[in-house]
Amino acid sequence: EAGVAQSPRYKIIEKRQSVAFWCNPISGHATLYWYQQILGQGPKLLIQFQNNGVVDDSQLPKDRFSAERLKGVDSTLKIQPAKLEDSAVYLCASSLIGGGGAKAFFGQGTRLTVV
Amino acid sequence: AQSVTQLGSHVSVSEGALVLLRCNYSSSVPPYLFWYVQYPNQGLQLLLKYTSAATLVKGINGFEAEFKKSETSFHLTKPSAHMSDAAEYFCAVDTNAGNMLTFGGGTRLMVKP
Repeated sequence: EAGVAQSPRYKIIEKRQSVAFWCNPISGHATLYWYQQILGQGPKLLIQFQNNGVVDDSQLPKDRFSAERLKGVDSTLKIQPAKLEDSAVYLCASSLIGGGGAKAFFGQGTRLTVV
Repeated sequence: AQSVTQLGSHVSVSEGALVLLRCNYSSSVPPYLFWYVQYPNQGLQLLLKYTSAATLVKGINGFEAEFKKSETSFHLTKPSAHMSDAAEYFCAVDTNAGNMLTFGGGTRLMVKP
């Protein structure tokens, strides 16, 4: 079974530039999550999709972050403009269903460095 | 609201010794609890999960965890540490109502030969 695919693996940008991350979830998984993991901390949920609808985006900094999941499959997460504190690993995960003890499968993440 | 606290950001054990990683949670409704492991430069991998069946949950790689409601704890244990267990371990909580996986800060396990 193919896992959650993310690209790129690494990205270095200057502050105030924009960047986009891509995620392809496991086939058939309706729920997709984006997490931000700052060095030394646990992952923090940014946004959760159920098919192509947003379930929870309460922790997404909407002034600079945006995400979409067109057609309920692939998803992109964008940061515009980036700040130094956005340096982190961005993890994408998917699950067959959402919440209630559902097992989430994680991708390898995209490590973003903002200089 | 729900939250997770992992006591000890770093734990060091000798190979063959008992591994004990502590996790306490808070949740206003019955929780689902998880332990994930993260190896360097890899994504998180599920070790085990508690979903209100047996309170003692067995996972992969010889790990197990016990749900103790009275102590609001879900500590992870392994009788004998192996060098390959060196990694970062995350405890997480989810609820039916919350629909959101909340992670603790993580514990880095180091195994000495």
